[in-house]
Amino acid sequence: TQLLEQSPQFLSIQEGENLTVYCNSSSVFSSLQWYRQEPGEGPVLLVTVVTGGEVKKLKRLTFQFGDARKDSSLHITAAQPGDTGLYLCAGDETSGSRLTFGEGTQLTVNP
Amino acid sequence: DAGVIQSPRHEVTEMGQEVTLRCKPISGHDYLFWYRQTMMRGLELLIYFNNNVPIDDSGMPEDRFSAKMPNASFSTLKIQPSEPRDSAVYFCASSLAGGEEKLFFGSGTQLSVL
Repeated sequence: TQLLEQSPQFLSIQEGENLTVYCNSSSVFSSLQWYRQEPGEGPVLLVTVVTGGEVKKLKRLTFQFGDARKDSSLHITAAQPGDTGLYLCAGDETSGSRLTFGEGTQLTVNP
Repeated sequence: DAGVIQSPRHEVTEMGQEVTLRCKPISGHDYLFWYRQTMMRGLELLIYFNNNVPIDDSGMPEDRFSAKMPNASFSTLKIQPSEPRDSAVYFCASSLAGGEEKLFFGSGTQLSVL
């Protein structure tokens, strides 16, 4: 059973479009992170959210942590080909040291 | 800092052979993690260390897998004997602390067991 469910699994869009990817769980997380991974490389942290209802913006990327701290979303405005990659959410369930990753959303932005 | 360094980048071996993957974490990071990534199962935590001590190895698939961290700047993940189902990308990551602390990943080792 996957602790963190990400949707959609695959997303292919045209440059300039907006998109949202989701990360859902039945568990409560003390914090949640979003990573982006490019082919042949390891994931790179984009943001950490820790407070229920928190919204963080990183240029064209907007991250939201659900009020109940069970879910999160990533919204990209005016997507660019450089946004192409695998987007992973990762949750820290017990405020310990163990992060659990979702399966990821593979995003392709076509020029 | 050069970041987390893993070697080799690619490893092709035959079933039954021993495989050793290596990792040098970022200096000063107290936590080191080994992950495995496959299309079917995504990114799975195998084991992590705090101050060179293994804390949680519940993700290690079976006794064929072992990991060591003899000092703060080096860790190995060994598979003996290797099997085709071990084929995956193995990542090492380090962090200053646990929990919500940022993970820094290496570039991974692409392992193919024939």
